[in-house]
Amino acid sequence: AQTVTQSQPEMSVQEAETVTLSCTYDTSESDYYLFWYKQPPSRQMILVIRQEAYKQQNATENRFSVNFQKAAKSFSLKISDSQLGDAAMYFCAYRSEETSYDKVIFGPGTSLSVIP
Amino acid sequence: ETGVTQSPTHLIKTRGQQVTLRCSSQSGHNTVSWYQQALGQGPQFIFQYYREEENGRGNFPPRFSGLQFPNYSSELNVNALELDDSALYLCASSLYGQSYEQYFGPGTRLTVT
Repeated sequence: AQTVTQSQPEMSVQEAETVTLSCTYDTSESDYYLFWYKQPPSRQMILVIRQEAYKQQNATENRFSVNFQKAAKSFSLKISDSQLGDAAMYFCAYRSEETSYDKVIFGPGTSLSVIP
Repeated sequence: ETGVTQSPTHLIKTRGQQVTLRCSSQSGHNTVSWYQQALGQGPQFIFQYYREEENGRGNFPPRFSGLQFPNYSSELNVNALELDDSALYLCASSLYGQSYEQYFGPGTRLTVT
């Protein structure tokens, strides 16, 4: 069974600085997607960025980028120029491409605080 | 284009009761997945509905059941509520096979006393 681990329960960053959130996962599959989701206090889960496992190039979305290390099964999220609105829970998630249904497995989350 | 909506926002039930939660999928989406998010944890996959049938299930007992309607909206039913069922219940919609484009609703907070 696949598992997703986030070893940092809480992180903080100064406004305008850069922060990296860590995620490792365990799988025996070769085809899958990885995601970072953001959940602000409003509870709405928002997709931040996704990475297809077959792509070697790291995904980037504006201030958000990932460092995907497939062999190491590591998938970290870097947030540049942090803003107050980035404060939220961040979840790393995994979705297999080898099942007939869309089950997404989430990690336990990292709570990010942004200090003005 | 309308987003994913869920009702009610909050709900309080007593142990042993039954509850029904509702989800309207985003326009154009035909698949709905339900997740349970206990306090301080990540969401856990309950099941997915496509073409009005359950086509995948996580590690949840049969007292968790669901329905999907022809308009792709969905219900989650939980029978014989237990205290541990207290959680945020999230639904997410997508096109079948494309959960990389999965959109979540704001959730229903269920408290079981």
